[in-house]
Amino acid sequence: NAGVTQTPKFQVLKTGQSMTLQCAQDMNHNSMYWYRQDPGMGLRLIYYSASEGTTDKGEVPNGYNVSRLNKREFSLRLESAAPSQTSVYFCASSEGGSGVSKTQYFGPGTRLLVL
Amino acid sequence: GDSVTQMEGPVTLSEEAFLTINCTYTATGYPSLFWYVQYPGEGLQLLLKATKADDKGSNKGFEATYRKETTSFHLEKGSVQVSDSAVYFCALSDQPGGYQKVTFGTGTKLQVIP
Repeated sequence: NAGVTQTPKFQVLKTGQSMTLQCAQDMNHNSMYWYRQDPGMGLRLIYYSASEGTTDKGEVPNGYNVSRLNKREFSLRLESAAPSQTSVYFCASSEGGSGVSKTQYFGPGTRLLVL
Repeated sequence: GDSVTQMEGPVTLSEEAFLTINCTYTATGYPSLFWYVQYPGEGLQLLLKATKADDKGSNKGFEATYRKETTSFHLEKGSVQVSDSAVYFCALSDQPGGYQKVTFGTGTKLQVIP
């Protein structure tokens, strides 16, 4: 049982380049999330997908797009990378549905450096 | 809006010392409260949670009690080990618009020295 997997683990981009971060989960979870982690700021939600076929903006969506490809996969795309997007990106999943006590399960993260 | 405030780190303790990491929250609804732990180079993983007032979450010797009157969820462990060195995140979960919104604190780094 792999849980939540992310690729790549590390990436260096030049300003203006594009890339897609991949995320997959094998726990049959309905909801998936993308966060960014910056020093002194905790985790901030970029986009989420409450269920297959739906996506919505989180706290910091500017400069990003997402695709919920199927129930397992949720990708994050940077169309034109900027140095401000240098961060560690985490994908997470949870059972979804109503209720606030669901545990989120996190991937190992993608460390992105934009020069 | 919802917010979580936790003590600044890093916290450095000797092995077998008592640990407290303070966490307070602001929420409009009836949130669930969590502690997540992040070991070096890894993603976050759930340490413990509490879903209503006066609930105590516990795991691996760590405990936290959901105190509604003081809006707190302090993490404690009686005797820390070197293997507990990690970053600890307090978080609250609410459901403002049909999805589970989790608000994280900024994290507290714990270093345990032998």
